[in-house]
Amino acid sequence: EAQVTQNPRYLITVTGKKLTVTCSQNMNHEYMSWYRQDPGLGLRQIYYSMNVEVTDKGDVPEGYKVSRKEKRNFPLILESPSPNQTSLYFCASRASGGAGELFFGEGSRLTVL
Amino acid sequence: AQKVTQAQTEISVVEKEDVTLDCVYETRDTTYYLFWYKQPPSGELVFLIRRNSFDEQNEISGRYSWNFQKSTSSFNFTITASQVVDSAVYFCALPRWGGSQGNLIFGKGTKLSVKP
Repeated sequence: EAQVTQNPRYLITVTGKKLTVTCSQNMNHEYMSWYRQDPGLGLRQIYYSMNVEVTDKGDVPEGYKVSRKEKRNFPLILESPSPNQTSLYFCASRASGGAGELFFGEGSRLTVL
Repeated sequence: AQKVTQAQTEISVVEKEDVTLDCVYETRDTTYYLFWYKQPPSGELVFLIRRNSFDEQNEISGRYSWNFQKSTSSFNFTITASQVVDSAVYFCALPRWGGSQGNLIFGKGTKLSVKP
């Protein structure tokens, strides 16, 4: 089954404790991206990757890091989480050709205390 | 600049009513795609439709229909005979650049509540 898998789905952590949200897709997609969703703000892009070893900032990259060492994986790293990073995070992937439909993971709800 | 505006924050209807969700966009591209996604209470994002700017014909899929009007930069979504299962947040989206290869910019979403 074609899917984008995120882990963990739910996490409560404390300020400053480094964490990684993993994202893996099994569709051999070149493009992957991270979004965060906050009430009243919709979805905003954090980072994206056009292919392996190619990453770039989205609209709200501050406080986040990403890496793309393998095509299937695109982890989101919060080096020193802060309460304003409490959010619902979505990973997405898309084939480089075609009309750009994004496939989303199920979301990861992160709370930073 | 690319922009998507969903002016309706929340809409509440009674089952079987028709409801239209508005989406207005701004783009510098001459060729582009527009998207609608649904987010039910369970939280996942579900792709509904992709529309090419070349094609201004209305699209119908069961109770769902989409009205794309390039002249007014709108891509509105109508649910006919709404059902409780249609309760969700609906997002309209547009690629940040290019006809299809760019990252999506989402509107802030419209929360639809369908009451029995």
